[in-house]
Amino acid sequence: ETGVTQTPRHLVMGMTNKKSLKCEQHLGHNAMYWYKQSAKKPLELMFVYSLEERVENNSVPSRFSPECPNSSHLFLHLHTLQPEDSALYLCASSQEFRSGGGSYEQYFGPGTRLTVT
Amino acid sequence: RKEVEQDPGPFNVPEGATVAFNCTYSNSASQSFFWYRQDCRKEPKLLMSVYSSGNEDGRFTAQLNRASQYISLLIRDSKLSDSATYLCVVNMRGTYKYIFGTGTRLKVLA
Repeated sequence: ETGVTQTPRHLVMGMTNKKSLKCEQHLGHNAMYWYKQSAKKPLELMFVYSLEERVENNSVPSRFSPECPNSSHLFLHLHTLQPEDSALYLCASSQEFRSGGGSYEQYFGPGTRLTVT
Repeated sequence: RKEVEQDPGPFNVPEGATVAFNCTYSNSASQSFFWYRQDCRKEPKLLMSVYSSGNEDGRFTAQLNRASQYISLLIRDSKLSDSATYLCVVNMRGTYKYIFGTGTRLKVLA
């Protein structure tokens, strides 16, 4: 399936590195999301973009910086991460309700498995 | 109390068995409900949305009970390929928040 793609699929980085995760959706959706999934924990919503505007920022540390240049692309810029940031980072997209706020079902990309050493 | 709660399992069932999972949610403003399945080290994949009147898709049946604030998933005639973690997801009215449960792990045994 190629609805939502993510690169890279695996990433190992040191605490002083800067890297970026990329997400692209081919579903014509207008909302995109970043989630973090750590072992034994539920998915944690990090950021939401609707029509390229950030609408949710769930108290995420500033070492994570999202960017949404258009409705099909979403980036997560990483710098000076900590070992506890090691996790699976998932991108998702959905179609927003016309009335605004809330969406139909989400579709996920395959994720980037990040290890911070 | 967690916003979305699921029994983590694992549920170990033989092939052909019927198995049911429940999920409770705490916020009565919840608007949309979904079941996703997640295979080990893979992304969540939408299994089905849950409608107020209940809905069925092949061997899978989902139910919603707004009064008691729970949703359920019934799997009939379990297959080995049904082995996965099943995630309950709730979307809050007027928000972009999708609240995920921790998932219920199912193992179907030959």
